[in-house]
Amino acid sequence: DARVTQTPRHKVTEMGQEVTMRCQPILGHNTVFWYRQTMMQGLELLAYFRNRAPLDDSGMPKDRFSAEMPDATLATLKIQPSEPRDSAVYFCASGLGLAGYHEQFFGPGTRLTVL
Amino acid sequence: AQSVSQHNHHVILSEAASLELGCNYSYGGTVNLFWYVQYPGQHLQLLLKYFSGDPLVKGIKGFEAEFIKSKFSFNLRKPSVQWSDTAEYFCAVNADGNEKLTFGTGTRLTIIP
Repeated sequence: DARVTQTPRHKVTEMGQEVTMRCQPILGHNTVFWYRQTMMQGLELLAYFRNRAPLDDSGMPKDRFSAEMPDATLATLKIQPSEPRDSAVYFCASGLGLAGYHEQFFGPGTRLTVL
Repeated sequence: AQSVSQHNHHVILSEAASLELGCNYSYGGTVNLFWYVQYPGQHLQLLLKYFSGDPLVKGIKGFEAEFIKSKFSFNLRKPSVQWSDTAEYFCAVNADGNEKLTFGTGTRLTIIP
């Protein structure tokens, strides 16, 4: 049963520290999405990649957030320096990226708490 | 840009009651529509999707949704809910040809045994 995996599942850190979240998309999926979920804002798209290239990162605060795909099996989302307002659940999703087929498969999320 | 509205923030029902959750979107072109469910402490899972064809779509666990283009709506229904349906439900839309999903704010459904 192919699934998107994310690590860590939970992260508690102090303000100012660097945070790195990792995502392994489903094998064969060429599109990866990063979302942030908060009570106030709901689900927001931060960035997404196709074939490892960033297609849209307009939802991401550029000064402290960065997203990369070092290879096809790994996507990373970094926050440096972290702030309390970054506390949220960060979801990664992957998809096939085929025209007319846009289902996204979500990972379990990383729950980030910044003190 | 597209947007999605879910007007019911929290719905409380008794078991066996019928369910309808509202979803309206704004976009003038062709859209793909989705309902995702998030059980407590879990990730989002796809309930059903509409791309084209029959506007009445059947999904998993007895859920269905109807796409009414003239009303820009894609309401989720279930004739008889169960306690295990307690979860948060998200409607999402993307413009045809664009993979970016726009989510509604979600509806929390609580089923009372």
